[in-house]
Amino acid sequence: SQELEQSPQSLIVQEGKNLTINCTSSKTLYGLYWYKQKYGEGLIFLMMLQKGGEEKSHEKITAKLDEKKQQSSLHITASQPSHAGIYLCGVHTGTASKLTFGTGTRLQVTL
Amino acid sequence: DVKVTQSSRYLVKRTGEKVFLECVQDMDHENMFWYRQDPGLGLRLIYFSYDVKMKEKGDIPEGYSVSREKKERFSLILESASTNQTSMYLCASSLVGANVLTFGAGSRLTVL
Repeated sequence: SQELEQSPQSLIVQEGKNLTINCTSSKTLYGLYWYKQKYGEGLIFLMMLQKGGEEKSHEKITAKLDEKKQQSSLHITASQPSHAGIYLCGVHTGTASKLTFGTGTRLQVTL
Repeated sequence: DVKVTQSSRYLVKRTGEKVFLECVQDMDHENMFWYRQDPGLGLRLIYFSYDVKMKEKGDIPEGYSVSREKKERFSLILESASTNQTSMYLCASSLVGANVLTFGAGSRLTVL
């Protein structure tokens, strides 16, 4: 089965600082999904990366897919308190749109 | 706005009780999923369904069953709740062939 490891597990940054979260797969990545979860709530879809080298941005969040490294990175520029939450990467496994998720990265943004 | 609604946000049950977690989606999605989320373990798939009355086991189905009698509703059943089933339960849905899941807000279950 495919496993996803996220690093770091948790992160505390000061408002305005940049940060990067990594998601490394045990197998070849053919596509990867990033979700965000506010504490105690459901997951919200951020973006999907489907090709090696692909890079997507949404507001101040940028994600890249490096097929060779079997890794994706999520970069937040000039972090804000609204960025706080848990970030999870996911990949499709098997059929019926099943997603397997990483263990998540908990982000806190201090004032 | 598309929605996945989980009827109970917080539940407290006793060991041995039968527990029903309900999930309803209004998007006419074929696929529905139940995950549980635990600290350090991330989200793990319990069961999923790709059609009415169809179900497939996920990665951790032991101790759970599901029911999908109508397209919009997917229920997770704990036949005899145990303390190790204390967790956050998340329901999700998607269209066939679509790869983005829409999640509900979650149901936090505590089993005493």
